[in-house]
Amino acid sequence: SAVISQKPSRDICQRGTSLTIQCQVDSQVTMMFWYRQQPGQSLTLIATANQGSEATYESGFVIDKFPISRPNLTFSTLTVSNMSPEDSSIYLCSVELQGNTYTFGSGTRLTVV
Amino acid sequence: AQSVTQLGSHVSVSEGALVLLRCNYSSSVPPYLFWYVQYPNQGLQLLLKYTSAATLVKGINGFEAEFKKSETSFHLTKPSAHMSDAAEYFCAVSPHGNLIFGKGTKLSVKP
Repeated sequence: SAVISQKPSRDICQRGTSLTIQCQVDSQVTMMFWYRQQPGQSLTLIATANQGSEATYESGFVIDKFPISRPNLTFSTLTVSNMSPEDSSIYLCSVELQGNTYTFGSGTRLTVV
Repeated sequence: AQSVTQLGSHVSVSEGALVLLRCNYSSSVPPYLFWYVQYPNQGLQLLLKYTSAATLVKGINGFEAEFKKSETSFHLTKPSAHMSDAAEYFCAVSPHGNLIFGKGTKLSVKP
């Protein structure tokens, strides 16, 4: 199984600012996923990031608000732009490994004040 | 579209009692199904997964789940609850390389 290092683990940010979350995997993976978990809610897929192409966003999420980079097969970033209190959530990255196994980072707990 | 329904947002059991967390799915094709556990302030940990092999899947920490196609269910069970099982449990289905999650069931274990 892969080990995912996600940082920061938590942050408190001022509204109107942006935060970039990093996800580093200890092996090369084709697909990386970014999820949002709002307080008391389940996980919702934000986008799928493949190396060498633009991320694919789910309904309700747009690139201007959540730009994603995927410069190589072991790394990705998610930026939460122009934040508002409604963006307060846990953001998690995930990768798909062989055998339909999905591993998650430990998450970034974001509070916007 | 594929979806997952978890019945009961909160389940409470006594220590040593049977744990049963319900999950029903909708899928037009044979699905891959998963159960994840999330302990407070932690990420998600895979408990078990079904990928069209044996219908009874054994996972970590004594949990198991049975895939029942006729009932479109994938309920999670554990014969005897332990205090350390208190957490939130998510059922998920994988359609095309990503996961679709149910709303989660919070399990409480009473001494």
